[in-house]
Amino acid sequence: ELKVEQNPLFLSMQEGKNYTIYCNYSTTSDRLYWYRQDPGKSLESLFVLLSNGAVKQEGRLMASLDTKARLSTLHITAAVHDLSATYFCAVSWGKFQFGAGTQVVVTP
Amino acid sequence: GAGVSQSPSNKVTEKGKDVELRCDPISGHTALYWYRQSLGQGLEFLIYFQGNSAPDKSGLPSDRFSAERTGGSVSTLTIQRTQQEDSAVYLCASSSQLTSGRGEQFFGPGTRLTVL
Repeated sequence: ELKVEQNPLFLSMQEGKNYTIYCNYSTTSDRLYWYRQDPGKSLESLFVLLSNGAVKQEGRLMASLDTKARLSTLHITAAVHDLSATYFCAVSWGKFQFGAGTQVVVTP
Repeated sequence: GAGVSQSPSNKVTEKGKDVELRCDPISGHTALYWYRQSLGQGLEFLIYFQGNSAPDKSGLPSDRFSAERTGGSVSTLTIQRTQQEDSAVYLCASSSQLTSGRGEQFFGPGTRLTVL
């Protein structure tokens, strides 16, 4: 059974500082996805990482994938309040498996 | 619109009643997924369709839950004899073929089910 583990599950961020969310998975996959969910809303696709070494950046968010280590990271640069949300990673190997989510709260 | 749509957006029902939740995927998307999300929790996989067939029903929590998809498009998730623990947001997502595209899932807005 594919396992996808995110950590931390909760992250309190100070505005202006940098943070990283980790996503480990247990079996071979070359597709990894990051989603954002705002409270009371559905999931919004952030990044699709399709190959080893892939790096995608959008604004203050940067995602990378190391398929050999079975690890993806979501790096947040100079956090701002608007980034408060829950972030999910997901891995596909024919079907999708989501991580438990990382709840991010950014405070002044 | 071009996105995934779900109806109803909210459903309040009494314990023991049956409910039907509908999902309209993005046109041309062959894969369709149903998830359940309880308050403050992650996504619980329910069932996955490829075309009209469901190769993976492993997530359905009990035989009260069933789903179908017709014409490779609209899907209906049916919950019979609802229980209070069925209260959750039910999310639908669709994606293109993994072999021919990025395979990312696009989510609908969800149906919030409340069983009294």
